[in-house]
Amino acid sequence: EVQLLESGGGLVQPGGSLRLSCAASGFTFSSYAMSWVRQAPGKGLEWVSGISGSGGATYYAESVKGRFTISRDNSKNTLDLQMKSLRGEDTAVYYCAKVGTIGWYVLDYWGQGTLVTLSS
Amino acid sequence: QSVLTQPPSASGTPGQRVTISCSGSFSNIGSNTVNWYKQLPGTAPKLLIYTSSQRPSGVPDRFSGSKSGTSASLAIGGLQSEDEADYYCATWDDSLNGVVFGGGTKLTVL
Repeated sequence: EVQLLESGGGLVQPGGSLRLSCAASGFTFSSYAMSWVRQAPGKGLEWVSGISGSGGATYYAESVKGRFTISRDNSKNTLDLQMKSLRGEDTAVYYCAKVGTIGWYVLDYWGQGTLVTLSS
Repeated sequence: QSVLTQPPSASGTPGQRVTISCSGSFSNIGSNTVNWYKQLPGTAPKLLIYTSSQRPSGVPDRFSGSKSGTSASLAIGGLQSEDEADYYCATWDDSLNGVVFGGGTKLTVL
């Protein structure tokens, strides 16, 4: 059974940093691309970033480019999102999602999410 | 403003058929297939339709998807109370080099 468990969310001040992690199990982690998707309170879904199975290719939404860094450790089956220079609009639930075999936008399994709240 | 445009709300009575639209452009829907996700309140999204018309295992055949040009649609037949949820379309955008979502449609079963 595929399981994705996010951690690392919390309360952070604007301008601060936070590192999210996603522990994956139930599938051959290194064979699949992974993504982060966020959802601001009461709002829709926003794709944040994606990384290939090997980690050699990464993609970012314009809204986070230069501030967020996605990475993975295939020996530990973990996916990370390093977030810096955080802004109020980064407040959201952050979901880790497994990318299916067909394409980057087929997110076939999702974690339950971790909440990041920006507040001074 | 979302790159893909969905109606903010839709509704129907039990047993009815409802359709949710998703409009984009050449760089996204016009060039790639579309996926649909269902999200119940307080829970993570779930893949409902992929490559425009395929259903993952376990998704009832009451759910169907289609795509034509730069638009896509999700149809739900035989509406049930458990279908009340938010529905999102998504695809890849070749110009933005990233995944784009619609703004979501809140489906109410009357």
